[in-house]
Amino acid sequence: DADVTQTPRNRITKTGKRIMLECSQTKGHDRMYWYRQDPGLGLRLIYYSFDVKDINKGEISDGYSVSRQAQAKFSLSLESAIPNQTALYFCATSDYSGTSGSADTQYFGPGTRLTVL
Amino acid sequence: AQTVTQSQPEMSVQEAETVTLSCTYDTSESDYYLFWYKQPPSRQMILVIRQEAYKQQNATENRFSVNFQKAAKSFSLKISDSQLGDAAMYFCAYRSSQGAQKLVFGQGTRLTINP
Repeated sequence: DADVTQTPRNRITKTGKRIMLECSQTKGHDRMYWYRQDPGLGLRLIYYSFDVKDINKGEISDGYSVSRQAQAKFSLSLESAIPNQTALYFCATSDYSGTSGSADTQYFGPGTRLTVL
Repeated sequence: AQTVTQSQPEMSVQEAETVTLSCTYDTSESDYYLFWYKQPPSRQMILVIRQEAYKQQNATENRFSVNFQKAAKSFSLKISDSQLGDAAMYFCAYRSSQGAQKLVFGQGTRLTINP
């Protein structure tokens, strides 16, 4: 499995604060994703990046921004946190070979639990 | 847009028995991938098994196997010889072979193993 790390693992913050969640991977994967998990809703895509110069919005990008600082690093920012952004956030990575195979599987980090008061 | 539905919010099974988790999906695509992920209390998302839509043969990984019915758009997970460590939330997920190739998740099924 990919070595995907996320920091912090848990964070409590106040409404209006700026928060950055960081993701790093050591697998050399090109593709990185940020998902949000809410109870009863599964995971939903916030942003994704196919390489350092390619960043795209997912289905719930409002209120979030991202930065792909390097192939191995992909950060998610909440410019002004609000309580309904309280959730579990996952980073995921995958490789792409152009053909079917295990390289197309997404591997997840351990998650960051964010609470906005 | 693709959707994934898991109709069983909770399931329970006796240790050593077999349990099947259901998943259906909706898509107009012919080439895609399906996955089952496990999320234990540690909250880590762990890949259990994957299936390529073009393959007719059902995927198997040790005690885990799937029943993939492409025409019915059904993708169930069978866990044989259930173990206490299998207790977790299980998510079915769909991934297109085109575009963002994002994962579309179902709502999850919480599996309890009774000793």
